Amino acid sequence: AQTVTQSQPEMSVQEAETVTLSCTYDTSESDYYLFWYKQPPSRQMILVIRQEAYKQQNATENRFSVNFQKAAKSFSLKISDSQLGDAAMYFCAYRSPPAQGGSEKLVFGKGTKLTVNP
Amino acid sequence: AAGVIQSPRHLIKEKRETATLKCYPIPRHDTVYWYQQGPGQDPQFLISFYEKMQSDKGSIPDRFSAQQFSDYHSELNMSSLELGDSALYFCASSLGPLQTQYFGPGTRLLVL
Repeated sequence: AQTVTQSQPEMSVQEAETVTLSCTYDTSESDYYLFWYKQPPSRQMILVIRQEAYKQQNATENRFSVNFQKAAKSFSLKISDSQLGDAAMYFCAYRSPPAQGGSEKLVFGKGTKLTVNP
Repeated sequence: AAGVIQSPRHLIKEKRETATLKCYPIPRHDTVYWYQQGPGQDPQFLISFYEKMQSDKGSIPDRFSAQQFSDYHSELNMSSLELGDSALYFCASSLGPLQTQYFGPGTRLLVL
């Protein structure tokens, strides 16, 4: 079974600075999807960024980018120019493609709570 | 843009009662997923539906059942509620099972 590990229960960053959240995963599959979701105090789950394993290019969405290292099974999230609104719980998630007989479900890590200091 | 709608947003029940949670996916989305998030926990997959058929099943108790209707909305029925069922229940939808899941705001269930 696939597992996702977020080794940093909590992180903090100064406003306007850069922070990197770590995520590693365990899988025997070659093709899969990785996601970062943000959960602010409202507890809404908001998609931040998505990466397909077959793509070598790291995904980027405005101030959010990932460092995807497939061989190392690592998928870190970098937040640049941090803003107060970035404060939230961040979940890394793994999903295997159903076409390969995998499950459609998202497997989440335990989350990293990010605090942004003014 | 339209998002996933869940109702009710908050629900308080007594032990052994029954609860029904509803989910209305993003228009044109035909795949629905249910997740349970306990306090301080990560979301856990319960069940999913694609084109009104159950497509995958996770750690869903036998006391729970779910279905997807012809208009693609889904309902999660929970019977014989236990204190441990208190959690945030998310519904997510996607345009097909291979696509990104978008989450609703969740239903917060409290069992007393």
